[in-house]
Amino acid sequence: AQTVTQSQPEMSVQEAETVTLSCTYDTSESNYYLFWYKQPPSRQMILVIRQEAYKQQNATENRFSVNFQKAAKSFSLKISDSQLGDTAMYFCAFMNSGAGSYQLTFGKGTKLSVIP
Amino acid sequence: EPEVTQTPSHQVTQMGQEVILRCVPISNHLHFYWYRQILGQKVEFLVSFYNNEISEKSEIFDDQFSVERPDGSNFTLKIRSTKLEDSAMYFCASSDARGSQEQFFGPGTRLTVL
Repeated sequence: AQTVTQSQPEMSVQEAETVTLSCTYDTSESNYYLFWYKQPPSRQMILVIRQEAYKQQNATENRFSVNFQKAAKSFSLKISDSQLGDTAMYFCAFMNSGAGSYQLTFGKGTKLSVIP
Repeated sequence: EPEVTQTPSHQVTQMGQEVILRCVPISNHLHFYWYRQILGQKVEFLVSFYNNEISEKSEIFDDQFSVERPDGSNFTLKIRSTKLEDSAMYFCASSDARGSQEQFFGPGTRLTVL
């Protein structure tokens, strides 16, 4: 079974600064996907960024990028030029890409506050 | 932009009662999911549904739970006899599963069992 660990329950960052959220996972699978989801207050979860395990290049989406270290089973999210709208819960999630399984395994989340 | 919707946003029920949580997935999606989040804990997978049948379910999804797609738009989760420990946020999600693997989530239904 897979596990996902987010060791930072809460973090804060000054507007325009950079922040990194940590995520580690444990799996015996070799092919899988990793995700970061964002859940703003009282709103639904939306996908921020996705990484396929077979790709060595780190995924990037505008101000969001990941540092994927497959051997270390680490998948951190970097948010550059933080904006007030980035205030949200951030969930790291794992999906096994084999055997048609689309089940997401989530971490407990990190609550990020962007301070003006 | 299409989105997943859920009703009701908050449901209060007495222990032992049946509840039905409703979801309208994105219209061209083929895979549907239910997750739950007990307060202070992780979001947990319950069940996935494809082609009118359950494709995966977790240990949590016991005989008290059932899912149904009664028509072309709704996807429901029924809890037959609620327990206090069923109190949680229940999230519905859908995906087209054509390689993107992105699941689109609804806003959730907060279930409170008294």
